[in-house]
This record gives sequence, structure tokens and C-alpha cells, in this order.
Amino acid sequence: RKEVEQDPGPFNVPEGATVAFNCTYSNSASQSFFWYRQDCRKEPKLLMSVYSSGNEDGRFTAQLNRASQYISLLIRDSKLSDSATYLCVVSTLDTGRRALTFGSGTRLQVQP
Amino acid sequence: DAGVTQSPTHLIKTRGQHVTLRCSPISGHKSVSWYQQVLGQGPQFIFQYYEKEERGRGNFPDRFSARQFPNYSSELNVNALLLGDSALYLCASSGDTYEQYFGPGTRLTVT
Repeated sequence: RKEVEQDPGPFNVPEGATVAFNCTYSNSASQSFFWYRQDCRKEPKLLMSVYSSGNEDGRFTAQLNRASQYISLLIRDSKLSDSATYLCVVSTLDTGRRALTFGSGTRLQVQP
Repeated sequence: DAGVTQSPTHLIKTRGQHVTLRCSPISGHKSVSWYQQVLGQGPQFIFQYYEKEERGRGNFPDRFSARQFPNYSSELNVNALLLGDSALYLCASSGDTYEQYFGPGTRLTVT
């Protein structure tokens, strides 16, 4: 079983739609959670950190459920520029190491 | 402020050769991590360094090695290249938080 699992998609949605991505993680000791965005053949860019209380940044809302070990990302009013791969990421502090464990990503295509 | 920089951007090598990739972190960041990303997958952790000390190593063979210099820049070395080493190699820097910021990567092709 992968440590971080995501639906690979693609999710094809029209402009203005609301779309939600979920991911699950297997290590209950995971301490920090993130969503990264990656455009084709580019580096991942930090979209937002995910906090237990949930957090919002403009059109983006992230939620964390530690009991069920899943993380979600909601995008409202989708724009063409939101088309990208969204990577769910967890981090565990282990003997001083703060490595990130990535899911394989969910591809989003927003259509006009 | 300058972000994470990596060099070279692209590289083509032959099987059996050696390669060195370089990374400079964001100013003030003392930790550098290296990741390998093959097509269709998320990045996989290779190494993490903090203050020149190795803090962690992923599930990669001993052909992979790295080091960090006093100015916090870092090198990733890969010996005896295999076709399967073809990938995007990403460097990420971090400060006092868990958040990591990635450089543009080095795209390595092994023929």
C-alpha cells in the first residue's frame, strides 16, 4: 500500500465549477500536511499547508481528518489557470528527518 | 529574493557515467532535500541535509550520494548511471518549518 494515495484523475470540469480532491495517508505519525501544485514539466509549488482546524486561501479550502487519515482540497469557481496536477503531501519527523512523502497527484483540467 | 536554484537544467549522459547535480537553497535556509521524480509519479525522497549533516536517506542505492557545503549549497552525485535513473531531480530547501520550496529541477536523460 502506498503511503499517500490519490485518485489520479483526470478531473475534467468546466470553468466556474467546484471540484474536490481527497487523499489518504497510511502513517498515523504524520505531522504536517500540504497540497502542492505542479504544472507540466515544472517543479512542485506549495499551494497551501493543511491544518487540523481546516484553512482557506481565496478559492481554495483544505481540510484534515486525522482520525480517518485523509486530506481534502476544494477549489471553488475553477479557472482555466487552475489546470495542473495537485499533489497531496505528508511529512513525518523521524530521527530528525523532515522528508516529504508525495502522492502520485491528481490531474485537473478546467475547460472553457 | 532568489528562490532555489539548480544546475544544470538539462543533462544527457550515457549508461555507466557519473553525474553531479548542484543546488543553492533560499537565503537563510539551512536544510536541503533531494527528490527524484519519474514521469507520472510524485517526487521520491533521496536525501536530506541540515547544517552539512545527513539527516535522512530514502530507499536509493549506494550509487547515489550527496553532500552539503558550509554555504548550505548541495551536490547530488550519481555513479554508474542506469537507464532507470532518467528523471527530474528536484532540490528543495526549508527553514525552521516543515514547508519545503523546490527549485526548477535538473532533467537527466541516460542513454
